[in-house]
Amino acid sequence: AQSVTQLDSHVSVSEGTPVLLRCNYSSSYSPSLFWYVQHPNKGLQLLLKYTSAATLVKGINGFEAEFKKSETSFHLTKPSAHMSDAAEYFCVVSERENFNKFYFGSGTKLNVKP
Amino acid sequence: DTGVSQDPRHKITKRGQNVTFRCDPISEHNRLYWYRQTLGQGPEFLTYFQNEAQLEKSRLLSDRFSAERPKGSFSTLEIQRTEQGDSAMYLCASIPWGTNEKLFFGSGTQLSVL
Repeated sequence: AQSVTQLDSHVSVSEGTPVLLRCNYSSSYSPSLFWYVQHPNKGLQLLLKYTSAATLVKGINGFEAEFKKSETSFHLTKPSAHMSDAAEYFCVVSERENFNKFYFGSGTKLNVKP
Repeated sequence: DTGVSQDPRHKITKRGQNVTFRCDPISEHNRLYWYRQTLGQGPEFLTYFQNEAQLEKSRLLSDRFSAERPKGSFSTLEIQRTEQGDSAMYLCASIPWGTNEKLFFGSGTQLSVL
């Protein structure tokens, strides 16, 4: 069975400081992992994905995430937050052997203070 | 790529009424998903189509909910005898067969049941 746990429902950072959004997953098989972002009144947009290649994945807008199998984690980071990063972020897991299912975490709302 | 479109964007209805939403996926995508998202939560899986076949339906989906994809192209989601607890954002997503890469989401239909 698969599940995703986003450890923080809200994260607040100052502009220009690092961002860390935490995600832990459980999966019976080889997982594919994703981060999606949702800005207010906008659709879900893919930030980055891990499918089976490099464990450090770079995405759009300076975000990256590292797949750590031993820790079953896929935390999202950014070195320097920008005001436009304020949004809700969702960690998603899917099993590569089972293409049909995508499981979303409950989301982390990122607030960026000026 | 014209994207996934959903109609209507907003629907306000009275309790007990029936509502129907439409989703037009990206034309070459044969897999289609419906999700429901309530405030402060991540999207919850409702149902999944491969072409015209409905292959999976969440246990969250009561008998009042029905979805169709008659020709393997657009899909409809109908809710009968709406209840206030049905108020949510209903999201549609599509993806080509043979990959569990990126889900392409529509902007959603926001349902408010009064």
